[in-house]
Amino acid sequence: EVQLVESGGGLVQPGGSLRLSCAASGFTFSNYWMSWVRQAPGKGLEWVANIKQDGSEKYYVDSVKGRFTISRDNAKNSLYLQMNSLRAEDTAVYYCARGGTGYWGQGTLVTVSS
Amino acid sequence: EIVLTQSPATLSLSPGERATLSCRASQSVSSYLAWYQQKPGQAPRFLIYDASNRATGIPARFSGSGSGTDFTLTISSLEPEDFAVYYCQQRSNWPWTFGQGTKVEIK
Repeated sequence: EVQLVESGGGLVQPGGSLRLSCAASGFTFSNYWMSWVRQAPGKGLEWVANIKQDGSEKYYVDSVKGRFTISRDNAKNSLYLQMNSLRAEDTAVYYCARGGTGYWGQGTLVTVSS
Repeated sequence: EIVLTQSPATLSLSPGERATLSCRASQSVSSYLAWYQQKPGQAPRFLIYDASNRATGIPARFSGSGSGTDFTLTISSLEPEDFAVYYCQQRSNWPWTFGQGTKVEIK
């Protein structure tokens, strides 16, 4: 069974940093593009970033370029999102997803507030 | 960026009725369009991929159609558990984008 479990969310002040992790199991992690998707409270969905199987290609939505970094460790079956210079508008539930294949985790809440 | 516009914003129907949801893309996405269902407090549920293919475990009452810029999600006969928000999403061009959602509510 495919499982994606996010961790690392929490409350952080504006300008601060946070690193999200996603532990994957139930499939061959190194065979798939992986993604982060977010949803602000009461709002719609936004696809944040994608990373290729070997990490050689990465894509970011404009609103996070230069501030967020997606990475992966195939030996640990793990996906990461390093978030720097956080803003109030980054407040959201962040979901780990297996590319566009429809498998998502349950999400972790990031709150940016003073 | 490809903009996806969903209509209507809200659909008020009774159980047993047919629901027809629309998603229009600002430029062609070929067939690289998916549909998701989301209920409050839950992660989105994958319903349809590549415009017309049901995901694993999705009931046959859900069907998708379309290509290019115009897509439709049809629920043939609404069950009580189908009342939720539905999103379309394209993976033709980066950034992948979602529509703003259609809420299907009980009339």
